[in-house]
Amino acid sequence: EAGVTQFPSHSVIEKGQTVTLRCDPISGHDNLYWYRRVMGKEIKFLLHFVKESKQDESGMPNNRFLAERTGGTYSTLKVQPAELEDSGVYFCASSQVGGGNQPQHFGDGTRLSIL
Amino acid sequence: GENVGLHLPTLSVQEGDNSIINCAYSNSASDYFIWYKQESGKGPQFIIDIRSNMDKRQGQRVTVLLNKTVKHLSLQIAATQPGDSAVYFCAENSGTSYGKLTFGQGTILTVHP
Repeated sequence: EAGVTQFPSHSVIEKGQTVTLRCDPISGHDNLYWYRRVMGKEIKFLLHFVKESKQDESGMPNNRFLAERTGGTYSTLKVQPAELEDSGVYFCASSQVGGGNQPQHFGDGTRLSIL
Repeated sequence: GENVGLHLPTLSVQEGDNSIINCAYSNSASDYFIWYKQESGKGPQFIIDIRSNMDKRQGQRVTVLLNKTVKHLSLQIAATQPGDSAVYFCAENSGTSYGKLTFGQGTILTVHP
């Protein structure tokens, strides 16, 4: 079974540009999460989808970040325009629905550098 | 690396020793806890989880202990191997089903052959 996959693995862009990150969850996982880890900080929650619906977006830092999950399969996270403080590692995770809490399985992340 | 700037606790052990990694959590409403292992350049890898109605759970070479009274979680690794060297994170779900995880800062485990 394929795990959570993220594209690209690395991205280097200039301040003011736009970047779109993609996440493909484990097949059949209705829950999809985005997290990020900026330099010197802990891994922090961004938002949670259940299928195509945003269940919790309390961790989104500002309106420069837009997450979508059209069709309830893969998800994209767009940063527009990117700022220096957006540099970090962006992780996606997915989990099954049902039977209470289920473990979230993570991808290897996208390492985003803003110059 | 990713851990630059973050002063993580460290634990160094010899191969074959048992390791104990500790974690304190803050939210008394948390009812689900997970331990993750993260190797350099990889994402967090699920190790073991425990629900708040349990105080101990065992997996293969790993045991998680939960003390709700003092809000403390520990991960015990038996017969630690060099391949266990990584950063270990505890995470808690603050009482919301299927919801967001709050991560600890992590502990660097180094296993010497």
